[in-house]
Amino acid sequence: ETGVTQTPRHLVMGMTNKKSLKCEQHLGHNAMYWYKQSAKKPLELMFVYSLEERVENNSVPSRFSPECPNSSHLFLHLHTLQPEDSALYLCASSPSAFGGEGAYEQYFGPGTRLTVT
Amino acid sequence: KNQVEQSPQSLIILEGKNCTLQCNYTVSPFSNLRWYKQDTGRGPVSLTIMTFSENTKSNGRYTATLDADTKQSSLHITASQLSDSASYICVVRGGDYKLSFGAGTTVTVRA
Repeated sequence: ETGVTQTPRHLVMGMTNKKSLKCEQHLGHNAMYWYKQSAKKPLELMFVYSLEERVENNSVPSRFSPECPNSSHLFLHLHTLQPEDSALYLCASSPSAFGGEGAYEQYFGPGTRLTVT
Repeated sequence: KNQVEQSPQSLIILEGKNCTLQCNYTVSPFSNLRWYKQDTGRGPVSLTIMTFSENTKSNGRYTATLDADTKQSSLHITASQLSDSASYICVVRGGDYKLSFGAGTTVTVRA
């Protein structure tokens, strides 16, 4: 395993529900990321956190709300989602969000398969 | 806009055969290029990383090549095994810290 865990692994929710995705890394990294992976499309970077501070927000709709209480945990709060939000949501961590190549290798979790009905 | 294009989108090969995946990119300036392997139901795992000065790098039966002049990379799988069935993603890092991802090539190895 990569040292990054995600829960739940599968989630089905209605458009009016509120749910949260959880990510935890056991690697001592300082940066954490949320990605959206849709079929046949490149990974889409959603949010980047460095030392619990959000350093990037790629024009993600407000129905996705990230939270990083400490450098080991990352949450993605979901509310009022749309069917097109159904996808695999991947969490990743890296030693740093900046710097040299080694500092930037990302370690991915297994993802949460989200289905919005 | 920085782009990474991968081909083919998918391929099927018989166990024991070789195959080559392609990655073309327009990212500039260039810092490095990684190939990731993503098994079904799992997150991507790094296979190789290549910098501007590297032409070839191997990781077991996986060999990656890079031509920084033409902005092309390839991933060659030798003597394929059933466990090689996965999606292979090309990721290019630009001069800043941003990453550009390809859509991936899905490889299916059949006995």
